Amino acid sequence: EVQLVQSGAEVKKPGESLKISCKGSGYSFTSYWIGWGRQMPGKGLEWMGIIYPGDSDTRYSPSFQGQVTISADKSISTAYLQWSSLKASDTAMYYCARRRSYDFWSGFDPWGQGTLVTVSS
Amino acid sequence: QSVLTQPPSVSGAPGQRVTISCTGSSSNIGAGYDVHWYQQLPGTAPKLLIYGNSNRPSGVPDRFSGSKSGTSASLAITGLQAEDEADYYCHSYDSSLSGYVVFGGGTKLTVL
Repeated sequence: EVQLVQSGAEVKKPGESLKISCKGSGYSFTSYWIGWGRQMPGKGLEWMGIIYPGDSDTRYSPSFQGQVTISADKSISTAYLQWSSLKASDTAMYYCARRRSYDFWSGFDPWGQGTLVTVSS
Repeated sequence: QSVLTQPPSVSGAPGQRVTISCTGSSSNIGAGYDVHWYQQLPGTAPKLLIYGNSNRPSGVPDRFSGSKSGTSASLAITGLQAEDEADYYCHSYDSSLSGYVVFGGGTKLTVL
């Protein structure tokens, strides 16, 4: 079964750093793009960026370029989303998702269960 | 402001048919990129509902269907059921944005 399992909920203070993870299983991790989306409380999905673990080719949505870093460690089939200095406005649920097929233009399936990040002083 | 525009909400009675629109432009849907749809039930992660404009993944009931024409796409749900109450998102790609991936703002479906 193809699965993405995300790391657990985090509570951080403004200015702190954070790295959350998304572990893939049941498929060839290096062969499929994995992306990250943000969902702020009561709001819609926003796409942050995407990485191809095979060669670490990474694309960021303009709103998130320079705000976060997406990476992957293919040796442990895990993708990451990290912040160097969190803000209260980073409070949200974060989802990872894998492209459904090798096709760059395909939909995303499956999705991880989500990681809730709370940033509060 | 989302690149793809969806109505904030739609509603229908059990058994009825509802449609959700997703309007884009010549740099995304109109450029020929496929449209995909997701269902997000309350408190859960999104789930792929329709891919490649009109294809259903295994396990998705045939009450759900998708179509695309010009710069727009639509999701239709027939025989509305209480468990269809959820948020629905469209997704496509945009050649004018470096990140390529674009989502609609989401539509809340209420089953009356």
